[in-house]
Amino acid sequence: QSVLTQPPSASGTPGQRVTISCSGSSSNIGSNTVDWYKQVPGAAPTLFIYTNNQRPSGVPARISGSRSGTSASLAISGLQSEDEADYYCASWDDSLNGYVFGTGTKVTLL
Amino acid sequence: VQLQQWGAGLLKPSETLSLTCAVSGDSFSGYFWNWIRQPPGKGLEWIGEIVHSGTTLYNPSLKSRVTISVDTSKSHFSLNLTSVTAADTAVYFCARGEYGGLLDSWGQGTLVTVSS
Repeated sequence: QSVLTQPPSASGTPGQRVTISCSGSSSNIGSNTVDWYKQVPGAAPTLFIYTNNQRPSGVPARISGSRSGTSASLAISGLQSEDEADYYCASWDDSLNGYVFGTGTKVTLL
Repeated sequence: VQLQQWGAGLLKPSETLSLTCAVSGDSFSGYFWNWIRQPPGKGLEWIGEIVHSGTTLYNPSLKSRVTISVDTSKSHFSLNLTSVTAADTAVYFCARGEYGGLLDSWGQGTLVTVSS
């Protein structure tokens, strides 16, 4: 049912850079801002990036977000054990008149 | 801000799911109050939102069965989902949002299981 597509998994060794993509359409990412959420097992999601590239307080500077056209991406530099989690992109969809989430990406350390 | 949610965790098919979320520590007005759900092992699905005036927006796929209401005197908002089936089994979250999304505070989640 998700209208935003993410790769199911991403991985890297400690210290590496990992990038997660989020593909949408003109009715969502193409015309609205993108948020990212981080979810560790058994817990509620937390806001991780908002308005395409803004970091809430407490999110380190090695985390960054971007949007271009109908796609967005989340980059994690200097991969650490605390980064192991599920990550979801989200955006408002003007056609559905609702908030839509991505399919989710599980990040693991090798 | 803190969001504390509660409601019945086990339902039979065709019953009505009812959850409530209490907001404390910040103003209730000026924000969008959302419900989101997550089936076991799956991704997040937005259910709908309400503002303090009572205006609502619902996910079109659930619209015929969903009602979100607000009690501003108590800083509470509630979710009702009628005629539940096993497909409605999920962890349900309440969350505070801004215009266009940006869910910056979440409740702890409530597992609702639908089983005969």
